Amino acid sequence: QQQVKQSPQSLIVQKGGIPIINCAYENTAFDYFPWYQQFPGKGPALLIAIRPDVSEKKEGRFTISFNKSAKQFSLHIMDSQPGDSATYFCAAGQGAQKLVFGQGTRLTINP
Amino acid sequence: DTGVSQDPRHKITKRGQNVTFRCDPISEHNRLYWYRQTLGQGPEFLTYFQNEAQLEKSRLLSDRFSAERPKGSFSTLEIQRTEQGDSAMYLCASSLFQGGTGELFFGEGSRLTVL
Repeated sequence: QQQVKQSPQSLIVQKGGIPIINCAYENTAFDYFPWYQQFPGKGPALLIAIRPDVSEKKEGRFTISFNKSAKQFSLHIMDSQPGDSATYFCAAGQGAQKLVFGQGTRLTINP
Repeated sequence: DTGVSQDPRHKITKRGQNVTFRCDPISEHNRLYWYRQTLGQGPEFLTYFQNEAQLEKSRLLSDRFSAERPKGSFSTLEIQRTEQGDSAMYLCASSLFQGGTGELFFGEGSRLTVL
């Protein structure tokens, strides 16, 4: 019940495309769903987070879509750039405590 | 730099040796977390503190692992009698936990290689 399943494992998109990364969770007690970006040799950095009382949240080029009934959420990156190439992790938790992370998606944006 | 600081960044040790990692959180943050990340995987929760109190330990944290946050500021994670399976990135994060929530800020991690 603590798992967060993330897909795809890797994704290659042309510059300007819209990569979409999906996550599914099981624990209905989770109420905080962040996305983290990690570059090689660095720690994860928070990109955007959503709570289940809204179905969508946008911050700059990043959008989270949330489907509470399906227990799924996804990250969309608009107008993707080569600098967005990184590993992206979804996570879930209660009140941002003790986050459970997905396995990660290695995203490559080709110029 | 006022972010989360971890030391050392890299540690290579022989099996059976003890190692200790240090984490200095963002100064006003009351919560401190330790996670472990192996290659190609997401971070896995190990333990967390609120101020100096250790509130939870994961079952992943065997008896060979111990963490402390003696004065509610920096924290140490010690691994005794290291095994090759301990090779991983050990990540520290801190947060200002208020009103039931608080964003986690991660450090750059301490990479452990056990030979």
